[in-house]
Amino acid sequence: KQEVTQIPAALSVPEGENLVLNCSFTDSAIYNLQWFRQDPGKGLTSLLLIQSSQREQTSGRLNASLDKSSGRSTLYIAASQPGDSATYLCAVTSGTYKYIFGTGTRLKVLA
Amino acid sequence: EAGVAQSPRYKIIEKRQSVAFWCNPISGHATLYWYQQILGQGPKLLIQFQNNGVVDDSQLPKDRFSAERLKGVDSTLKIQPAKLEDSAVYLCASSLQASAQPQHFGDGTRLSIL
Repeated sequence: KQEVTQIPAALSVPEGENLVLNCSFTDSAIYNLQWFRQDPGKGLTSLLLIQSSQREQTSGRLNASLDKSSGRSTLYIAASQPGDSATYLCAVTSGTYKYIFGTGTRLKVLA
Repeated sequence: EAGVAQSPRYKIIEKRQSVAFWCNPISGHATLYWYQQILGQGPKLLIQFQNNGVVDDSQLPKDRFSAERLKGVDSTLKIQPAKLEDSAVYLCASSLQASAQPQHFGDGTRLSIL
């Protein structure tokens, strides 16, 4: 059974700092991994999607890497800003392409 | 492009009452998902539709939850009767097809059971 874990559960950093969020999964037989952002009271906004054959994806200040063999992904945020404060969720797809989500990392960037 | 639409945004009911949520996916998206997100947890898939057929409902509590997507477009999720532990945000998502496509999420319905 696929399990997804995110560490740390919460993170507070000063503005401008570079930071790394971690996601690990137990079954390497995945189709893809997706990182989402969730603001309070809102749905999920897709940030980056990495197919199983890819190693990384980049969008602006965000870079996500995938090491399928070790069951790990990292989301790197460069030069963090207060507007980056949110909960970040990773999810993997396998089987019928359903998403298995981690419990998220709550990020707070202090001005 | 219009996003995934959900209604209502909030619902408060007493336990043992019934409630229904509605979702309209992005136009042309064949796959529709309902997720339950309990406070402090990641979303958990309840049911997945491909057009109007059910692909996966293994985690749907079928004694009280039901869902339909009769014409392969919008969908309704119902709870009857509601229990206290059903308090959660119910998220709807859609994708063009199931295979390796990104899912797009609505803002969800926040359900509180008194």
